[in-house]
Amino acid sequence: AQSVTQLGSHVSVSEGALVLLRCNYSSSVPPYLFWYVQYPNQGLQLLLKYTSAATLVKGINGFEAEFKKSETSFHLTKPSAHMSDAAEYFCAVKTSYDKVIFGPGTSLSVIP
Amino acid sequence: GAGVSQSPSNKVTEKGKDVELRCDPISGHTALYWYRQSLGQGLEFLIYFQGNSAPDKSGLPSDRFSAERTGGSVSTLTIQRTQQEDSAVYLCATPGGGTDTQYFGPGTRLTVL
Repeated sequence: AQSVTQLGSHVSVSEGALVLLRCNYSSSVPPYLFWYVQYPNQGLQLLLKYTSAATLVKGINGFEAEFKKSETSFHLTKPSAHMSDAAEYFCAVKTSYDKVIFGPGTSLSVIP
Repeated sequence: GAGVSQSPSNKVTEKGKDVELRCDPISGHTALYWYRQSLGQGLEFLIYFQGNSAPDKSGLPSDRFSAERTGGSVSTLTIQRTQQEDSAVYLCATPGGGTDTQYFGPGTRLTVL
């Protein structure tokens, strides 16, 4: 069975600093991987996804994530944090044979 | 419809009462998920419907929780004899796009007094 872990339930960065949100997965078959974002008082929306094409995936709002099979990781990064990036971020994994599984989420705070 | 809709948007009930939450998925999407999001918590998987297959109920927290999906479209999540710990936002999602990108509804905020 697949699973997802997100290191750090809460991450704080200064405005303009690098954002790094960690996601590791376990899966016995090639996975699809996703990052979703939930802004305060809003619904969940897709940020980006990996579907076995390019290992470096670019998403909305300047975010990107790199699939590293050897490390079973799909960490989310953004070179320069903006105040509007403050939100809850969820990593998710799916295979062709099983349901979508979400990680516990990481709350990102951006300090002015 | 154009997106996933859920009703009611807010529900306040008394402990011990039964509640029904409704999800109208995106037309043509055969799969449907229910999740629960408690304050400060992540997404807790509840149940998964896929076409005509038996639903995956492995996430339902107790036998007070049940869900059905009629005609492969609308789904209803029922919570019997509600408890205060059932208070949460209940989210419905239908995957699509060939790689199961989840399209989430706005959620139903349930408050059990």
